[in-house]
Formats: sequence, structure tokens, C-alpha cells
Amino acid sequence: GQNIDQPTEMTATEGAIVQINCTYQTSGFNGLFWYQQHAGEAPTFLSYNVLDGLEEKGRFSSFLSRSKGYSYLLLKELQMKDSASYLCAVQTGANNLFFGTGTRLTVIP
Amino acid sequence: DTGVSQNPRHKITKRGQNVTFRCDPISEHNRLYWYRQTLGQGPEFLTYFQNEAQLEKSRLLSDRFSAERPKGSFSTLEIQRTEQGDSAMYLCASSFRGGNTDTQYFGPGTRLTVL
Repeated sequence: GQNIDQPTEMTATEGAIVQINCTYQTSGFNGLFWYQQHAGEAPTFLSYNVLDGLEEKGRFSSFLSRSKGYSYLLLKELQMKDSASYLCAVQTGANNLFFGTGTRLTVIP
Repeated sequence: DTGVSQNPRHKITKRGQNVTFRCDPISEHNRLYWYRQTLGQGPEFLTYFQNEAQLEKSRLLSDRFSAERPKGSFSTLEIQRTEQGDSAMYLCASSFRGGNTDTQYFGPGTRLTVL
């Protein structure tokens, strides 16, 4: 079977750094995606990793270890608007995305 | 670039009725995907098209569900004889198959409520 594990909820303080972990076991792997989803809105693309290592994009970075089936999303200089759900998704061999249930991040002042 | 659009944004219907949703992908995107999302869960894959060809359907897509993309541009998702369990957000995404990435961009979704 296929499985993606993420923490259900996290809380962090404005201006801080937070790391959201994701572990996966899937039947195929063509890359790992992170999406941000505000309540009632569509997921928006944040980052993509297909090779091991760190990808940095502004305040957001994503890391991948294929041998460990592990990724994390790092958010720096947290802002109140970063309060949202963060979805980890694996593009399987069939090219569709298999999503985790998401991590709901709450940023507090 | 106007992004992926979906209509309607909200639909309330009575059990047993048929509903149809429309998705307009980003122009020049040749792949189109449908997902379903319920509260507290991540999106679940339903089906996808490359141009006008429907290449894959999930086991979640019962025979009451049908999707089309007749000219390789917009797509429709129809649900026949709706059930209360069909209540969910239906998300459409599109991507361009080429190069090393195949990033999917999502539309705003259609929220279906079946009474």
C-alpha cells in the first residue's frame, strides 16, 4: 500500500523557524511536492524535489532523502499569513499525486 | 496567464440529482486532473487526461462518475444520482508534460453539498 505521514498540527511563533516533516512509502516515485492550502482555498505549489538535497526558495526550503523516504519543509521568518495547511505529495509512477493528510500550522504572535 | 478556473464554485443539490462541474485549465497545459478533498484530508486522485485522452481512473471513481475533455481543453466531471457521501470539494489541476517536472496547478475548486 501507499502511505504518507505528516504531523497533524503544529504551532509556531511569528518570526521563528518551523520544520514540517513528511515520511512516505509509495509504489513509485517521480518527485515530491509541497503545497500550501489556506482554509477553503485550493492548494498552491510551494516546492518540488526529485533529487536528494535541499531546494531553497526565499523563506521556504525543502529537503529530500529518497533512501530514507523522508522530506521536510522549512519555513523561516514566519508570518501570520503562513498559517495554513501544508500538504506533502508524491508523484507516483502513474504521474498523479498521492497526498498526505496535511499539517495544519498555526502561527501565533 | 489566468490560472485554472472552475465553475460553479458552490453547488447544493438533493440526493439523487445529477450535477456537472467544469474546469478550464491553464492554456497550453496538456494534462488535466480531477481530485476530491474532504474536510481534514488531502486531495484524492480521481482521474487525469493527457490532451483529450483519459489515461487513468482511480478506483474511487464509481460508475456514477464520468469525466470528459472533448477537445483537449476544458473538462467536465459529472456525478449521476448523487449521494450524501459525494459531498466534498472537487479540485481540478493542470500541468504541462515536458522537461523534468510536471508541476500541477490547482483551481479554486467546486464545493458540492448533497442534502
